[in-house]
Amino acid sequence: KNEVEQSPQNLTAQEGEFITINCSYSVGISALHWLQQHPGGGIVSLFMLSSGKKKHGRLIATINIQEKHSSLHITASHPRDSAVYICAVYNTDKLIFGTGTRLQVFP
Amino acid sequence: SQTIHQWPATLVQPVGSPLSLECTVEGTSNPNLYWYRQAAGRGLQLLFYSVGIGQISSEVPQNLSASRPQDRQFILSSKKLLLSDSGFYLCGSGVYEKLFFGSGTQLSVL
Repeated sequence: KNEVEQSPQNLTAQEGEFITINCSYSVGISALHWLQQHPGGGIVSLFMLSSGKKKHGRLIATINIQEKHSSLHITASHPRDSAVYICAVYNTDKLIFGTGTRLQVFP
Repeated sequence: SQTIHQWPATLVQPVGSPLSLECTVEGTSNPNLYWYRQAAGRGLQLLFYSVGIGQISSEVPQNLSASRPQDRQFILSSKKLLLSDSGFYLCGSGVYEKLFFGSGTQLSVL
């Protein structure tokens, strides 16, 4: 079993829909990151969470430390949001990646 | 702000040939450094991480090795490539809050 699990693995949506991607982890963490990987392979960091909730534009990320669960929400989704979204957790000095969620948003 | 330089962007190598991928970091000192591999259609797999010069931790026993000869230089090597070494290799740097990634190397072993 992976230490960091994401769901769903694949997600398709119509433009404007509200998107939720979930991440559950089984190890102790000091921080959790949500990352976005574009088709060319480049990865950018969206959020770092250690508690609570963060918002950046149409993106909202939440974390529940007790339940070892985090969610990434995208409001008013747009085709340019199409990418792979990856949850990654810091466990001591290691960064452990989830398997990723491939999101496709159609016009 | 940190910048990670990783090269080459693409590489085609024959089975049995050696490999050397280099990653250098600018804009910080003593970063944690990571090498990841992503096989086609799969998630990122941690290969090696380093918390300092000469300190390498291996996560997956395999045909690869890593070295950190300088604070901001991280090298991934192999003496003899296997077909199964094909994939997308990504160098990363991070210190808790900030994560940065190189642009990756697409390695095809034929």
